[in-house]
Amino acid sequence: AQSVTQLDSQVPVFEEAPVELRCNYSSSVSVYLFWYVQYPNQGLQLLLKYLSGSTLVKGINGFEAEFNKSQTSFHLRKPSVHISDTAEYFCAVSDFKAAGNKLTFGGGTRVLVKP
Amino acid sequence: EAGVAQSPRYKIIEKRQSVAFWCNPISGHATLYWYQQILGQGPKLLIQFQNNGVVDDSQLPKDRFSAERLKGVDSTLKIQPAKLEDSAVYLCASSQGTLSSYNSPLHFGNGTRLTVT
Repeated sequence: AQSVTQLDSQVPVFEEAPVELRCNYSSSVSVYLFWYVQYPNQGLQLLLKYLSGSTLVKGINGFEAEFNKSQTSFHLRKPSVHISDTAEYFCAVSDFKAAGNKLTFGGGTRVLVKP
Repeated sequence: EAGVAQSPRYKIIEKRQSVAFWCNPISGHATLYWYQQILGQGPKLLIQFQNNGVVDDSQLPKDRFSAERLKGVDSTLKIQPAKLEDSAVYLCASSQGTLSSYNSPLHFGNGTRLTVT
C-alpha cells in the first residue's frame, strides 16, 4: 500500500515570487510520481510526471519537480508564479505493479497567489 | 479531442434518496475510473473499469454504491440510499492505457458535486 503526504495544506505567495510545494510518499515498491492541478470547479489536469530517468522533471506552465528516492520526496517548484497559478495542487503515486495506473493522491495544497 | 464529459454538474438530494451520475470518457480510452473527492481531501479511487470489466472496486461501499460500464464506453455511478457523508465531488477519469500500460495519463472530467442534506 502507498500513501502520499503533502506537508502544506495552504501556501500563500506573492505574484512573481518562487513557490515550492512539498510531497513525500511511502511505498514498499517502486512508484511512478505525478503532480496534478485543479482549478476551481474543474477536474484535475496533469502538470508533470516522473516515470524513470532524469530526476528533474519539467512540466507545463513552467513547473518542475525533483524526485529524491532517498528522501522519498517529489517536490514541485516554480521560479515565478502568476495570478493564474492560484489553484489546488495534488501529488499522486502509482504502483509499478498495480494494473492500469491507479493513483493514490495526497491531500492537496491550495496555492493562493497575491498581487 | 473532446474531454471526459460528466453530468449533472451539481446535485442536491436528501439523505436516503438515490442518485446517479453519468460519465462519457474520451473516445477510445479503455480504462475508466470513478473517484470520490471529499472537501479538503485528495481524490479517492472508488472503482476502475477496463473496457466493461471491473478491475478494482475494493474501496467501493458496495452496500450503497454501484457502478456499471455497459458496452465498455459510458459509465454510471449510483448511490442508494445516500448518506450525509456521501457529500463530495465525484470525478470520472479515463486513460488510453490497458492493464499492462502503467503510465498512460489520466484525463479527468469536471466532476459532479453532490450535496446530501
